[in-house]
Amino acid sequence: DAGVIQSPRHEVTEMGQEVTLRCKPISGHDYLFWYRQTMMRGLELLIYFNNNVPIDDSGMPEDRFSAKMPNASFSTLKIQPSEPRDSAVYFCASSLMAAVAKNIQYFGAGTRLSVL
Amino acid sequence: AQTVTQSQPEMSVQEAETVTLSCTYDTSESDYYLFWYKQPPSRQMILVIRQEAYKQQNATENRFSVNFQKAAKSFSLKISDSQLGDAAMYFCAYDAGGTSYGKLTFGQGTILTVHP
Repeated sequence: DAGVIQSPRHEVTEMGQEVTLRCKPISGHDYLFWYRQTMMRGLELLIYFNNNVPIDDSGMPEDRFSAKMPNASFSTLKIQPSEPRDSAVYFCASSLMAAVAKNIQYFGAGTRLSVL
Repeated sequence: AQTVTQSQPEMSVQEAETVTLSCTYDTSESDYYLFWYKQPPSRQMILVIRQEAYKQQNATENRFSVNFQKAAKSFSLKISDSQLGDAAMYFCAYDAGGTSYGKLTFGQGTILTVHP
């Protein structure tokens, strides 16, 4: 398997613009996670899905952030409108929560977002 | 809420030597999971080692081993025979399991430098 695939790798946008980050989980995985990494706050869980259903979105910073998982092979994280403080690296991870999989999360390479 | 603390922002080691990275956590759970992830300059988060709290035996993966002290809520990572490729940011992470299964809480990270 190719692993978790995120796109784009880098995104530069202007304040006020809409930003969409994309993630393709590992085939067969039933959990998908979105994280944000900043120098100040470290790695934070934003939201996670189980079988395409959002389970916990308590980490989503505000209403400008939204995430969807229309099917088992695709998820998006959208920021509208974007602000400079949203600049960060956003990671997607997926996992197979079966005992044999040992609940290990596999991370994508991340999207570095810069909002000017 | 659970917290994970890595008290060493930076550590350094000579190639072929041994280094230990510290991690403490706070929880009221009796069964949970602990992880060490490595983040090299490429930004990809890579699982290093995993420990289940109900297992008293310390986990090992080749040159990597942990010292899990459940009563002290301590989970340190020992890297033996350090290699230049071990240079990275290392994150300790906690998973409460149960209804929070897969919801990782990360420490702030420790930057490891390996000197030739």
